[in-house]
Amino acid sequence: DTTVKQNPRYKLARVGKPVNLICSQTMNHDTMYWYQKKPNQAPKLLLFYYDKILNREADTFEKFQSSRPNNSFCSLYIGSAGLEYSAMYLCASSREGGTQYFGPGTRLLVL
Amino acid sequence: AQSVDQPDAHVTLSEGASLELRCSYSYSAAPYLFWYVQYPGQSLQFLLKYITGDTVVKGTKGFEAEFRKSNSSFNLKKSPAHWSDSAKYFCALEGPNSGGSNYKLTFGKGTLLTVTP
Repeated sequence: DTTVKQNPRYKLARVGKPVNLICSQTMNHDTMYWYQKKPNQAPKLLLFYYDKILNREADTFEKFQSSRPNNSFCSLYIGSAGLEYSAMYLCASSREGGTQYFGPGTRLLVL
Repeated sequence: AQSVDQPDAHVTLSEGASLELRCSYSYSAAPYLFWYVQYPGQSLQFLLKYITGDTVVKGTKGFEAEFRKSNSSFNLKKSPAHWSDSAKYFCALEGPNSGGSNYKLTFGKGTLLTVTP
C-alpha cells in the first residue's frame, strides 16, 4: 500500500489568518515532502523532513513552517496567509531518497 | 540548477495511435528521471523512472520511456493509446535541494493528454 493521505482536501482561509495542513502515511517512510502547485505551473518543492530533520528551500524559507511529531504525520503551517498562498499543496513520502509517493493534495483558497 | 521542460501543454490523439510525450532536462550531473501521471481528481501516480543502465525503461500501465543523453531527453511512449490514458503527465528530475541533499524533484509543467475514442 502506497497511500499518502491529506487533510483537509479543501481549505478556505482568510488573509492574515494561520493555516495548518496535515499529511499522513503508513508506509514507514523516513522522508516526507511538501510541494506547492499553482495552475499551469510545475509543482515546486517547499520543504521536506528526513527523519526529524527539516530542510526548507531557500526561496520559501520564511513563508512556511512544518512539524513532524512522529514518523507518520507531517504538517505544513502558514503563519499569516496571503492571497499568493492560494494553491494546491501536495504531500509526498519516500524511503531513503527513493521514489516519492504523493497524496491527493489540499486545495487552499485564501480570500 | 536543474530544470525540466515539457514543451507540449496539450496533446490530442485518437485511440489506437502511438503516443509520445516530450520531456527535456538540464542538469550538470547524471540525471535521475521520472514520469508521473495525474488522473482528474486523483494524486500524482508514479509511472516509471530512469536511474542508470538500460536507456529504455518500462513502467506501469504499458508505458515506457527512452533516455537520450545526446539531446537531454526522456520521452514517454505507449502504443497503442487507450482513451483511459487521458490524463496529465509530469516529467521530473531528481536533484539537490537548497541544502545539497538529492531529495528534490524538479517538475515540468505537465502535458495534458486527451485520447479520443
